[in-house]
Amino acid sequence: QQQVKQSPQSLIVQKGGISIINCAYENTAFDYFPWYQQFPGKGPALLIAIRPDVSEKKEGRFTISFNKSAKQFSLHIMDSQPGDSATYFCAATSKLAAAGNKLTFGGGTRVLVKP
Amino acid sequence: DAGVIQSPRHEVTEMGQEVTLRCKPISGHDYLFWYRQTMMRGLELLIYFNNNVPIDDSGMPEDRFSAKMPNASFSTLKIQPSEPRDSAVYFCASTLAGGLYEQYFGPGTRLTVT
Repeated sequence: QQQVKQSPQSLIVQKGGISIINCAYENTAFDYFPWYQQFPGKGPALLIAIRPDVSEKKEGRFTISFNKSAKQFSLHIMDSQPGDSATYFCAATSKLAAAGNKLTFGGGTRVLVKP
Repeated sequence: DAGVIQSPRHEVTEMGQEVTLRCKPISGHDYLFWYRQTMMRGLELLIYFNNNVPIDDSGMPEDRFSAKMPNASFSTLKIQPSEPRDSAVYFCASTLAGGLYEQYFGPGTRLTVT
């Protein structure tokens, strides 16, 4: 019940195109959904996050869409640029004390943006 | 702030040897996490500490792995004896209580066991 499933594992998009990554979860206790971005040779870094009380959050070219009833959320990268080439991880966590700030990560999506 | 510091950045060792990975969290952070990243298994949480106390070590693969946090500014992950299947990138991350989703990751240690 702790699992977060992420797809696709990899995707290639042309510069200027839209990259879409999907995640699904089962644990209804999850109430924070961050996305992390990881460049080769670096550690993951927080990119954007959403709470389930909103259906969409946008920061620049990055948008999270959230569907609470379906227990799904997705990351859209608009006008994709070669500098966006990285691995993206969705994650989930809960405010419950038992969660202890623990993040459950998806399997990751390797995005390659071709010039 | 210098961010999370990990050492060494690269480690190559022979099977059976002891390996010690080190981490210095961001000053003031009270949670520290150790992760392992491989192509096959993705990003796995091994263990995490709160105020230097281990809270959940259910991700530690076996008894060959151990982790300590003797003080708020230092943690180690030890593998003894090491095996080729331990080859991976090991990350340390830290955060503040209430920081929930914003964990700050170090640059990682790439471990190769031959």
